[in-house]
Amino acid sequence: SAVISQKPSRDICQRGTSLTIQCQVDSQVTMMFWYRQQPGQSLTLIATANQGSEATYESGFVIDKFPISRPNLTFSTLTVSNMSPEDSSIYLCSVPSGLKRNEQFFGPGTRLTVL
Amino acid sequence: DQQVKQNSPSLSVQEGRISILNCDYTNSMFDYFLWYKKYPAEGPTFLISISSIKDKNEDGRFTVFLNKSAKHLSLHIVPSQPGDSAVYFCAASGSGGSQGNLIFGKGTKLSVKP
Repeated sequence: SAVISQKPSRDICQRGTSLTIQCQVDSQVTMMFWYRQQPGQSLTLIATANQGSEATYESGFVIDKFPISRPNLTFSTLTVSNMSPEDSSIYLCSVPSGLKRNEQFFGPGTRLTVL
Repeated sequence: DQQVKQNSPSLSVQEGRISILNCDYTNSMFDYFLWYKKYPAEGPTFLISISSIKDKNEDGRFTVFLNKSAKHLSLHIVPSQPGDSAVYFCAASGSGGSQGNLIFGKGTKLSVKP
């Protein structure tokens, strides 16, 4: 299985600022996914990050708010821009396992609180 | 509108007994279903899955049942162990969606008491 780390593990930020979350995988993967879990809600896919191309965003998420970088096959960043308290969530990255359809390995998550 | 619903936020079971976690879905295009388990401060980990062409899949103590006509699936854990205490997420996908686009339920927190 892939080992995925995320930085930071948690942060408390002021509204109007931006935070960049890093996701590191111990193996090369073509696709990386970014999810958000708002308090009391389900995990929701934000975007798919492909190396060498623009990220693909799901409905309701836009690049200006959640810019994503994917400089190589083991690393990606998600920036939460111009934060508001509604952005307080756990942000998780994941990669396909390659073993079973839709099985994904998840990172430990970044718990973000916006004041 | 939630396409995958886990109507029980929590469940408490005695060690050794059966745990039954339920999940309902609304989208008839879903054709693959997964269960993930999540411990605090960790990411979800894959547990078991089932294709819509099956009605049962078993892996050790874990069995998932799918009732397509009722758009309902359930996860059975027998026997339950204290280490099974975690949040369990039901997830669904359809062949038409993007590869990563799993639709998750809100989760059910299972507590297994010794």
